[in-house]
Amino acid sequence: RKEVEQDPGPFNVPEGATVAFNCTYSNSASQSFFWYRQDCRKEPKLLMSVYSSGNEDGRFTAQLNRASQYISLLIRDSKLSDSATYLCVVDGGSQGNLIFGKGTKLSVKP
Amino acid sequence: DAGVIQSPRHEVTEMGQEVTLRCKPISGHNSLFWYRQTMMRGLELLIYFNNNVPIDDSGMPEDRFSAKMPNASFSTLKIQPSEPRDSAVYFCASIRGGAPAHNEQFFGPGTRLTVL
Repeated sequence: RKEVEQDPGPFNVPEGATVAFNCTYSNSASQSFFWYRQDCRKEPKLLMSVYSSGNEDGRFTAQLNRASQYISLLIRDSKLSDSATYLCVVDGGSQGNLIFGKGTKLSVKP
Repeated sequence: DAGVIQSPRHEVTEMGQEVTLRCKPISGHNSLFWYRQTMMRGLELLIYFNNNVPIDDSGMPEDRFSAKMPNASFSTLKIQPSEPRDSAVYFCASIRGGAPAHNEQFFGPGTRLTVL
């Protein structure tokens, strides 16, 4: 089983739609979780951390389910500018290094 | 403020040649990471330095790859000899502090390497 798995997509949605991505991770000892965003041919940038109780940042909501070892990201009222690849990131070892999923591609259309 | 700086931004070379990638972390950051990104394998950690000391190099593919951090403001990743399968985007990232799982990683723009 891969350490961090994501549906690669692409998710093609119209502006204004709500879209959700899931991610599963294999290391039950992982304690830190993040979503990073990567635009085409650019570097990854932190979108938000994911907390046990769930957290919201504007139109973005992240949730963690430790029992099932999955993380979700919900984007409401999608904008054209949300088009990007969303990387699920989990801490994965004794060194605490981060393990990146391959990403889910989102394309928001007019 | 300047972010993480990488050079060159693009490199095209022939198989067998030596390639050196360079990175300048954000001033004040004391941990530095080298990643490689391909379509097939995604973003993979190659090596991680804390206070200029290599902490985890388990991701370095083989002896052809080496990395150094002679001081807090400079690091290099060298591939010698290069092979076509090394073609990828190489990212450098830095954080403040020594806990990768608790600090935002700031990535440089990457070096797109093509080995012919």
